[in-house]
Amino acid sequence: AQTVTQSQPEMSVQEAETVTLSCTYDTSENNYYLFWYKQPPSRQMILVIRQEAYKQQNATENRFSVNFQKAAKSFSLKISDSQLGDTAMYFCAFMKRYSGAGSYQLTFGKGTKLSVIP
Amino acid sequence: GAGVSQTPSNKVTEKGKYVELRCDPISGHTALYWYRQSLGQGPEFLIYFQGTGAADDSGLPNDRFFAVRPEGSVSTLKIQRTERGDSAVYLCASSNPWAGLGNEQFFGPGTRLTVL
Repeated sequence: AQTVTQSQPEMSVQEAETVTLSCTYDTSENNYYLFWYKQPPSRQMILVIRQEAYKQQNATENRFSVNFQKAAKSFSLKISDSQLGDTAMYFCAFMKRYSGAGSYQLTFGKGTKLSVIP
Repeated sequence: GAGVSQTPSNKVTEKGKYVELRCDPISGHTALYWYRQSLGQGPEFLIYFQGTGAADDSGLPNDRFFAVRPEGSVSTLKIQRTERGDSAVYLCASSNPWAGLGNEQFFGPGTRLTVL
């Protein structure tokens, strides 16, 4: 079974500054995906960024980037130039890599509540 | 529709009642997942459908919970004899396992269930 741990229940950042959210995970799988999801008060879960474990290069999506350390089982999210619209809950999630029939449910951490302060 | 839809958006019921929560996935998505998100927690897996069959129901907490997907599209999560501890947001997600992209799951807005 997989576990995902987010050790920061709440964080805040000044608008335009940079913030890093932490995530660690535990798994015996060798091939898997890691995700960061954003959940605003509307409850809609929105995919922010995805990392494939077999890729050494860290994923980036505009202002969002990750620091993926496979050996340490660490997967942090960096948000640059924070905007008010980034205020939300952020969830780190694990999924084993697709290899045919079977269940590929996401395993989530407990989340980090991020507040961007004007 | 363009995305995953869930109805109702909110449901308030009394302890002991029966409720049904509906999920309408993205057209063509064969995989469908139900998750439960309790207050202050991340979503937790309940059940997975591939087509019409429940391929993995290991996350259902007990036999009061049941889900169906009779035609391989819309799914209904059914909860019998509701308890206050069932209060949570129930999220549905769908995916196309053969589309690559890490088998990305697309989420609906959820149904907030409150059991009084």
